Amino acid sequence: NAGVMQNPRHLVRRRGQEARLRCSPMKGHSHVYWYRQLPEEGLKFMVYLQKENIIDESGMPKERFSAEFPKEGPSILRIQQVVRGDSAAYFCASSPGLDYQSSSGANVLTFGAGSRLTVL
Amino acid sequence: KNEVEQSPQNLTAQEGEFITINCSYSVGISALHWLQQHPGGGIVSLFMLSSGKKKHGRLIATINIQEKHSSLHITASHPRDSAVYICAPCYNTDKLIFGTGTRLQVFP
Repeated sequence: NAGVMQNPRHLVRRRGQEARLRCSPMKGHSHVYWYRQLPEEGLKFMVYLQKENIIDESGMPKERFSAEFPKEGPSILRIQQVVRGDSAAYFCASSPGLDYQSSSGANVLTFGAGSRLTVL
Repeated sequence: KNEVEQSPQNLTAQEGEFITINCSYSVGISALHWLQQHPGGGIVSLFMLSSGKKKHGRLIATINIQEKHSSLHITASHPRDSAVYICAPCYNTDKLIFGTGTRLQVFP
């Protein structure tokens, strides 16, 4: 039962290029969350997706950033025309979904190892 | 205004010491996660709790919903416990709000 798989683990891009980060959730998990950790800063929520739906994208920058979680395949976080300020670690987490309730009423999250983006 | 306050921000300890990390949050939540991030960057969820106390090995987490406060305790600390510990309250749809983290270093 593999955990949350993120790839690539490290990605280097030049300014203006596109970055695509992939996240395969745990088997049986239908909900995916993306978080960003800027250098020397804490984690920040970006987006919450279910299969083929964006549930909450309140943490996504208004431009250049998009996320999807198609019916088949991994979730993808896409950053167009990258700038140096996009350099960060991007973490993905997955959960079983709202029909699975722990005793607290909140889902159990499992994190991926992260993808580190460096923009030159 | 930070919705989640952790203290201390940095903590050093000698091996064997009892460690306490505190977390206060400002609004009602459904649950709270304690996360551990090692120097390599990977994040592990240590606990998710919504009331009372949970224990796993040398780690103990408590939460007081009325006071909006949670603590993480490490008994008999060890150098391998050195990491950043992050408090993350969970609102509604599992949208986590993260504390700034407590950087713990345990020396032999």
